Amino acid sequence: KAGVTQTPRYLIKTRGQQVTLSCSPISGHRSVSWYQQTPGQGLQFLFEYFSETQRNKGNFPGRFSGRQFSNSRSEMNVSTLELGDSALYLCASSLADYYNSPLHFGNGTRLTVT
Amino acid sequence: DQQVKQNSPSLSVQEGRISILNCDYTNSMFDYFLWYKKYPAEGPTFLISISSIKDKNEDGRFTVFLNKSAKHLSLHIVPSQPGDSAVYFCAAQGKTSGSRLTFGEGTQLTVNP
Repeated sequence: KAGVTQTPRYLIKTRGQQVTLSCSPISGHRSVSWYQQTPGQGLQFLFEYFSETQRNKGNFPGRFSGRQFSNSRSEMNVSTLELGDSALYLCASSLADYYNSPLHFGNGTRLTVT
Repeated sequence: DQQVKQNSPSLSVQEGRISILNCDYTNSMFDYFLWYKKYPAEGPTFLISISSIKDKNEDGRFTVFLNKSAKHLSLHIVPSQPGDSAVYFCAAQGKTSGSRLTFGEGTQLTVNP
């Protein structure tokens, strides 16, 4: 079974631009979550989607948004990029429609903002 | 407000010996705990989990212990192998937070041959 797939693996953007990252969950998984990993803040939760609805949201500004499609694939968008948005963005999917189910992560998209 | 803390940034052990990684949490609403392993340039890989109704869970060389009164959990790896060298994250989840995970800062484990 294929794992969680994230594209692209690497991105370089300029401050002020916007970016869209893509995630394909494990087949049959309906919950998709996004995390940001930085050296200073560790792994921080961005948001979670289930059945095309945002179910949970972390403490990030409105520049960070996401969506989920009917096939469970998800995208996240960051508008008006800032230097501090440089990070590894991780997508994770899980089988169950609620908690007590492990999240399975993709290999991430490394975003560099210059 | 760091709700999940891994106080040891690094740990070094000899091959074949036991590795013990520790994690503390402060939020009483957490009731499901997980350990992940992460290699550079890869996403975290799920290792083992434990529900708050248990105090121990075993899977091969990996055992997780949970002490609810102390709000403390630990991961034991026996025997340790060089391939276990990675960053280990503990994570916690609560009933009211959906599948949202709160992660510790991670511990770099190095297993020396």
